[in-house]
Amino acid sequence: QSVLTQPPSVSAAPGQKVTISCSGSSSNIGNNYVSWYQQLPGTAPKLLIFDNYKRPSGIPDRFSGSKSGTSATLGITGLQTGDEADYYCGTWDSSLSAYVFGSGTKVIVL
Amino acid sequence: QFHLVQSGAEVKKPGASVKVSCKPSGYTFSSYDIGWVRQAPGQGLEWMGRVSTYNGNTNYAQKFQGRVTMTTDTSTTTAFMELRSLRSDDTAVYYCARVDPSPTVTTVDLWGQGTLVTVSS
Repeated sequence: QSVLTQPPSVSAAPGQKVTISCSGSSSNIGNNYVSWYQQLPGTAPKLLIFDNYKRPSGIPDRFSGSKSGTSATLGITGLQTGDEADYYCGTWDSSLSAYVFGSGTKVIVL
Repeated sequence: QFHLVQSGAEVKKPGASVKVSCKPSGYTFSSYDIGWVRQAPGQGLEWMGRVSTYNGNTNYAQKFQGRVTMTTDTSTTTAFMELRSLRSDDTAVYYCARVDPSPTVTTVDLWGQGTLVTVSS
């Protein structure tokens, strides 16, 4: 049972946009930075977004992040077949004194 | 380039222990903590805890308290994670990851390739 709730899957056609929500509480998202991770099949996770909306070097601006209150959102525009992966949100939980991950969302390119 | 290179796959019997190593390269070892995350087959990511490469302080997730030990060897700039009293549901890929050293982790910005630990009789 994940502390952060994400939809199991989202889908769209190539070139379209998808958004992935991540819902938490005041002990995690509400008062800490959110990151997003992409996990391609059979590989290790990779950082996509940190500090709620910042992109590491090399991450295209098709990927965007935002946060409002106790929820965060990842957006992917210009969807490509190579974007098919699992996406996880993550943040610190002050009550648990632990880093927590969302339940994960599979992006399906139709 | 920054890398975290982990030790190879392990097969263990129930009740045994496993020790996974993680060797960072490309940056100053003591500037970042090392966190450990596991992923059971077909499941999501689970935080296990972290170790300071600066002073060896640890912070374990409650679920693993008493069963896990995370250490570092500054002479070889290697981090280790030992999990004891293994059960079948400990079968998972174990990742080490670079973590910022702030009290409240802000992000996990670099991941190892993962080590598959299989627990089976």
